[in-house]
Amino acid sequence: DGGITQSPKYLFRKEGQNVTLSCEQNLNHDAMYWYRQDPGQGLRLIYYSQIVNDFQKGDIAEGYSVSREKKESFPLTVTSAQKNPTAFYLCASSVKFGGYTEAFFGQGTRLTVV
Amino acid sequence: QKEVEQNSGPLSVPEGAIASLNCTYSDRGSQSFFWYRQYSGKSPELIMSIYSNGDKEDGRFTAQLNKASQYVSLLIRDSQPSDSATYLCAVNAFFGNEKLTFGTGTRLTIIP
Repeated sequence: DGGITQSPKYLFRKEGQNVTLSCEQNLNHDAMYWYRQDPGQGLRLIYYSQIVNDFQKGDIAEGYSVSREKKESFPLTVTSAQKNPTAFYLCASSVKFGGYTEAFFGQGTRLTVV
Repeated sequence: QKEVEQNSGPLSVPEGAIASLNCTYSDRGSQSFFWYRQYSGKSPELIMSIYSNGDKEDGRFTAQLNKASQYVSLLIRDSQPSDSATYLCAVNAFFGNEKLTFGTGTRLTIIP
């Protein structure tokens, strides 16, 4: 079954803790992304990676970190420096054809600070 | 000015009617345009992509692109209650650059 798998589906974090969200894809896509969505809001880009061992900051990278050691995996760490981390986190990967790109999403991780 | 703008709604449409969703973008260099559907509590699902001026039809969905006016729209014919969702417009700014920028979404409600 090809797809993008995010885990866990729900995550609770105590204030001051770092937590890591997992994103794995078996679609052989080169590019991967992390977005954050707040209630009633659109998607805001945190980080993206177009190739293994390379990634770029998005619009709201502060308080987050990523790695891209394997093509299939793009984990996101929410650090204690992120002051308001409660949100819905979405991972996506994209396929390129004829110069154009289409992106597909995992099922998301809902992070709550307790 | 936001890079991608959508009317947040909510937009209410009677069942069986045509729902019209609109999106404008600021970067004239934008190349690729997408519509995603997102049900409450779920992740976005790609339903339409369009790359050249004009109309693109897929079943009950039609995407329309006008690059001169920097405008992209989605029409849903014969609206069904299952079409009730938030519709997100996304734009890829650069040919070959894979960064997608999203609008805030339009919440659509189909009234039975």
